[in-house]
Amino acid sequence: GDSVTQMEGPVTLSEEAFLTINCTYTATGYPSLFWYVQYPGEGLQLLLKATKADDKGSNKGFEATYRKETTSFHLEKGSVQVSDSAVYFCARGGGSGNTGKLIFGQGTTLQVKP
Amino acid sequence: DVKVTQSSRYLVKRTGEKVFLECVQDMDHENMFWYRQDPGLGLRLIYFSYDVKMKEKGDIPEGYSVSREKKERFSLILESASTNQTSMYLCASATGGQGTEAFFGQGTRLTVV
Repeated sequence: GDSVTQMEGPVTLSEEAFLTINCTYTATGYPSLFWYVQYPGEGLQLLLKATKADDKGSNKGFEATYRKETTSFHLEKGSVQVSDSAVYFCARGGGSGNTGKLIFGQGTTLQVKP
Repeated sequence: DVKVTQSSRYLVKRTGEKVFLECVQDMDHENMFWYRQDPGLGLRLIYFSYDVKMKEKGDIPEGYSVSREKKERFSLILESASTNQTSMYLCASATGGQGTEAFFGQGTRLTVV
């Protein structure tokens, strides 16, 4: 079935380091793709999204490009901050009908040290 | 801003109890969801509702039921709580359409003892 696979965590970086979190998906058709972030003690919030091939989503210095050829949607940030410490979830739209149903990866915990 | 509110942040219940988790959204969204979050497993869909009184099973519906009597409210019911239902439960809502974003509540951490 359809699925999303993220790189294993936790990821520990020093402040101002470059971040990549890999995400690949399986799907029939071309689903919308999302990155959600969960800060400690909170629910999920949308970080960025892309709805078609070659689209680039961006927000708060984070970017991800919808790569149809490699079925990937890797998250990148050029210079992380301590405040970026959180759990990051890659997700794709699930099922049919664009209902908002999501299929999630397992999540990647990022810890940024000063 | 869209707000999705879950009635409790933390709950402790005993094995065998009937447990209700409540969720309310204020943006007139048609679609509402209940997910369960466990370490290493991400979020898994329990149930989904696309209209009042309409529901659809997700990936892990066993041991759960849902109720949607009003558009803004979606309840998750554990008929007889068990220790393997100890988890974080997240409610979400969405309008629908290509690229539609789901909005999440803050989560309910349920412990069954």
